[in-house]
Amino acid sequence: GAVVSQHPSWVICKSGTSVKIECRSLDFQATTMFWYRQFPKQSLMLMATSNEGSKATYEQGVEKDKFLINHASLTLSTLTVTSAHPEDSSFYICSARRTGTSGSYLYNEQFFGPGTRLTVL
Amino acid sequence: RKEVEQDPGPFNVPEGATVAFNCTYSNSASQSFFWYRQDCRKEPKLLMSVYSSGNEDGRFTAQLNRASQYISLLIRDSKLSDSATYLCAVNAPDLRFGAGTRLTVKP
Repeated sequence: GAVVSQHPSWVICKSGTSVKIECRSLDFQATTMFWYRQFPKQSLMLMATSNEGSKATYEQGVEKDKFLINHASLTLSTLTVTSAHPEDSSFYICSARRTGTSGSYLYNEQFFGPGTRLTVL
Repeated sequence: RKEVEQDPGPFNVPEGATVAFNCTYSNSASQSFFWYRQDCRKEPKLLMSVYSSGNEDGRFTAQLNRASQYISLLIRDSKLSDSATYLCAVNAPDLRFGAGTRLTVKP
C-alpha cells in the first residue's frame, strides 16, 4: 500500500489557540485528500474533501471558517483548527486518494495517515 | 437514513469461533466496497476489498449483494489478534464508513 504521513501525531494546546495538522502522501500524488474526525467510541466522520488547487468541500455541519483546509500541492494538505476549544478535542485522520488503472481495472483507493490526537485544555 | 449502516456489536467470541459482520449501504450507485480494521487509537487499515463475486483471504471472506445493497465479512477460526473494530466502507463516490463493530476474541 501507499504511505501517508501525518504530523503532529499528538498535540495538546490551550483553548483559543490554533493548531495546524499536515497530511502528506509520501510516494504518490494525490489530487484529493480527505479529513476525518473520530470521537471516542464513535465512527470516522468525514469533515471535508480537500482538492489540490481549489477550495475544499465541507460536509454538512462542519464550519469552514473554523476548520481551514489548504491543499497547495499534490502531496500536502493541511487542516488548521482555529480558536480550538475543548469540544474540538478528537482524533483527526487524513486520507489520500490514489487512482489509476491496472490493465482494464480502474482503481480508486484511499490510504490513511496515522492520525493526530488533539487535546484542547 | 445513514449512508452506511453496520451491526453495532459488540461481539465477544471465544477463540476459534466463526463470526460474521453485516453492513448495508444506501447509494445504489456505489461501485467499491471495503472492510477496514481499526485498532484502538490507530488509523483504519484496509483489510480487504469486496468484489462482486465474493472473495476470500485466508480466514476472511467478504461478500457483496448488490440487489440488497449489503456486504458481509466472515471471520473463521478467530484469533485473539483479531480483536479490533471492523469498519465497512463504501465509495459513494467518496469513502463513507459504517459506525464499526467491535470484536473481542477471548481465550
